[in-house]
Amino acid sequence: RKEVEQDPGPFNVPEGATVAFNCTYSNSASQSFFWYRQDCRKEPKLLMSVYSSGNEDGRFTAQLNRASQYISLLIRDSKLSDSATYLCVVNRRGSARQLTFGSGTQLTVLP
Amino acid sequence: NAGVTQTPKFQVLKTGQSMTLQCAQDMNHEYMSWYRQDPGMGLRLIHYSVGAGITDQGEVPNGYNVSRSTTEDFPLRLLSAAPSQTSVYFCASSTGNRGNNQPQHFGDGTRLSIL
Repeated sequence: RKEVEQDPGPFNVPEGATVAFNCTYSNSASQSFFWYRQDCRKEPKLLMSVYSSGNEDGRFTAQLNRASQYISLLIRDSKLSDSATYLCVVNRRGSARQLTFGSGTQLTVLP
Repeated sequence: NAGVTQTPKFQVLKTGQSMTLQCAQDMNHEYMSWYRQDPGMGLRLIHYSVGAGITDQGEVPNGYNVSRSTTEDFPLRLLSAAPSQTSVYFCASSTGNRGNNQPQHFGDGTRLSIL
């Protein structure tokens, strides 16, 4: 079983739609959680950190459920520019910032 | 701001050749790391360094060496290239503050093909 699992998609949604991505992690010692965005053939870039209480950044909302070892990302009012692969990333406690990446969920926003 | 700079951007090697992928950062970050990205597998950690003179193995270290003689540079050496090492390689850096969720800053990547 992969340590971080994501639905690979692809998710094809119309502009303006709301889309949700899910991620599960297997290591209960995981301490920090992130969503990264990766455009085609580009480097990953941090989209947002995920906090236990949930957090929001504009149209993006991230949720963490430690009991279920589950992370989610909600994108509201999708834009064409949101088309990318979204990577779920976890950091294990005491791991000197060793990040474990999910394989990503591909999103295409259609006009 | 240059950020994290990787060279070369593309490289084709023959099986058995050796080469060094260069990575440099100008942000005075203590932590640097190398990942490889293969289709359907996400990024996997090869080696990392928490400061000059200190390196350690990640998830997939076999066939690769690293050194960290300065804070700025973290080269990755392929000792004897194999087709299984065909991949996209990313170098990343971040600050050494363990108490916060510090983002990893990635270079543009090196696309490496081994024939």
